[in-house]
Amino acid sequence: QQQVKQSPQSLIVQKGGISIINCAYENTAFDYFPWYQQFPGKGPALLIAIRPDVSEKKEGRFTISFNKSAKQFSLHIMDSQPGDSATYFCAAWEGGSSNTGKLIFGQGTTLQVKP
Amino acid sequence: DSGVTQTPKHLITATGQRVTLRCSPRSGDLSVYWYQQSLDQGLQFLIQYYNGEERAKGNILERFSAQQFPDLHSELNLSSLELGDSALYFCASSARTANYGYTFGSGTRLTVV
Repeated sequence: QQQVKQSPQSLIVQKGGISIINCAYENTAFDYFPWYQQFPGKGPALLIAIRPDVSEKKEGRFTISFNKSAKQFSLHIMDSQPGDSATYFCAAWEGGSSNTGKLIFGQGTTLQVKP
Repeated sequence: DSGVTQTPKHLITATGQRVTLRCSPRSGDLSVYWYQQSLDQGLQFLIQYYNGEERAKGNILERFSAQQFPDLHSELNLSSLELGDSALYFCASSARTANYGYTFGSGTRLTVV
């Protein structure tokens, strides 16, 4: 079963517009929610992350909004640029005992920003 | 350069064969994670090692195995390969657990023909 659901699968935005990617999760034990950015031929790179005791985190043009009661979080990219064109993955940390656990990823969203 | 090194970058092999993928974690990182990325399955967690010990396991096939060596590099062994095993295989490392941030390598693209 898919523990982290991401939408949309693809997104086309005009330069200067706002890109919004949404994720939903089921497991209330998840306690860390990062977003990764992946360019073709590269591995995913950490973009921004949030913990569930915070409702919003902003870093430059990137903002995570977190709704704990709805078990949803989203990535907003303000003033989207062609260089932002990439695949974005949301993820959730499923911890275990000491030094054990894993990130569970959403299916990914391919963003294209048109000039 | 992320600091996580994966070799080889590309691998083409025939069905039924066995391959070994190698990962050198970022300096100082003790945890290594292996993920499989395919078009229809996204990033799927395979296995985690911490300082040489297996710590977490995902939906890793019995034909797949991994280990982490004393120098902390890790190898993922894939055997009896099938066409469906064609995918990108990523290694990631972290200092302790992933809520301090994973760093991914550039991946190994495996094509089984």
